[in-house]
Amino acid sequence: DGGITQSPKYLFRKEGQNVTLSCEQNLNHDAMYWYRQDPGQGLRLIYYSQIVNDFQKGDIAEGYSVSREKKESFPLTVTSAQKNPTAFYLCASSTQRGRIGDQPQHFGDGTRLSIL
Amino acid sequence: GDSVTQMEGPVTLSEEAFLTINCTYTATGYPSLFWYVQYPGEGLQLLLKATKADDKGSNKGFEATYRKETTSFHLEKGSVQVSDSAVYFCALSSAGGTSYGKLTFGQGTILTVHP
Repeated sequence: DGGITQSPKYLFRKEGQNVTLSCEQNLNHDAMYWYRQDPGQGLRLIYYSQIVNDFQKGDIAEGYSVSREKKESFPLTVTSAQKNPTAFYLCASSTQRGRIGDQPQHFGDGTRLSIL
Repeated sequence: GDSVTQMEGPVTLSEEAFLTINCTYTATGYPSLFWYVQYPGEGLQLLLKATKADDKGSNKGFEATYRKETTSFHLEKGSVQVSDSAVYFCALSSAGGTSYGKLTFGQGTILTVHP
């Protein structure tokens, strides 16, 4: 089955530590996205990538970094500069065919990050 | 900038009741509109979408009509079930300029359906 796999499901970070969240898709989608979800706030875009080796900052990129070396993979690093990293992180992907904006995004099951 | 406003929850209904979750938006141009559903501990799933004015999206008994004149995309279901209990998100996607299909989400509405 095609889909998006996020790992791990739960992750704990110590103060001052960087952690990397994995996101892999086998849907052959060009575009990939990272969102942060906090209770009662909906989803906020962290970074997105429309093509390999290219990515753009979203609305809340500070304290995060990404890479897009392969079409299938879009890992997110939460750095020690992110002072409030406790949240639910969701990865998504979409095709770029047809009119951009008409295509829905497909989501993984998320990673819940907590601070020890 | 683009924005989406959903009715505040939580919404609590009895099984077989009628559901409406209001959603209004602000956007330039002609966005596409989506409803996503999130079950506990999971990611979001697309529920339905509409890509132009007066389009009606429908799926699993849920419906929403793209109303450009009122900038709304209200979600409705005639008879809810316990299994519909989830968080519902309204979202819009910009297609112009540098937005490249970026989704803007509402804050989500928690729905609980009791037997």
